[in-house]
Amino acid sequence: NAGVTQTPKFQVLKTGQSMTLQCAQDMNHNSMYWYRQDPGMGLRLIYYSASEGTTDKGEVPNGYNVSRLNKREFSLRLESAAPSQTSVYFCASRDSLSSYEQYFGPGTRLTVT
Amino acid sequence: KNEVEQSPQNLTAQEGEFITINCSYSVGISALHWLQQHPGGGIVSLFMLSSGKKKHGRLIATINIQEKHSSLHITASHPRDSAVYICAVRRGSEKLVFGKGTKLTVNP
Repeated sequence: NAGVTQTPKFQVLKTGQSMTLQCAQDMNHNSMYWYRQDPGMGLRLIYYSASEGTTDKGEVPNGYNVSRLNKREFSLRLESAAPSQTSVYFCASRDSLSSYEQYFGPGTRLTVT
Repeated sequence: KNEVEQSPQNLTAQEGEFITINCSYSVGISALHWLQQHPGGGIVSLFMLSSGKKKHGRLIATINIQEKHSSLHITASHPRDSAVYICAVRRGSEKLVFGKGTKLTVNP
């Protein structure tokens, strides 16, 4: 099992460009999450999806959209990137029926110039 | 004031030392999580606890709900323990609130 995978690993965007960060998990988990991690700050929740077909805002949703395409995949879209969105983005998943433990992907390092 | 405060921010130890990392929180919680972030960036869950104490190998986590405080202890530390240790509190079923992390360096 690959666990939680994220693509791309690194990305550089210019201000105003758009892109989608992809996340997939092969553990049949119901819940999926997008976080951002910035220097000197803890991980912050951007959006989460408690089940296929549902999404909810987290702590810092502005400037992002998400899609829970199916049970496996949860994508994060930046419609018009801004330098303030320079960060490391982590996707995570959880089997909401049996555990509160979250499994994290390897992260995507995004730089917006 | 952050909901979750960790101390120290940075910690340097010699191999073999006993290490303690502290986490204090200011809100009611369902449970507290300890996670480890490797130098390469990967994050793994170490413990989840809502009361008492848990042990896994050389790692011990304790929580005092009344005092809103948790500690992570590492016995007989080793250079491979070098990582960032993150405390997170769970409020409700879905949301975790994370501390800023404690960067541990264990020198041989």
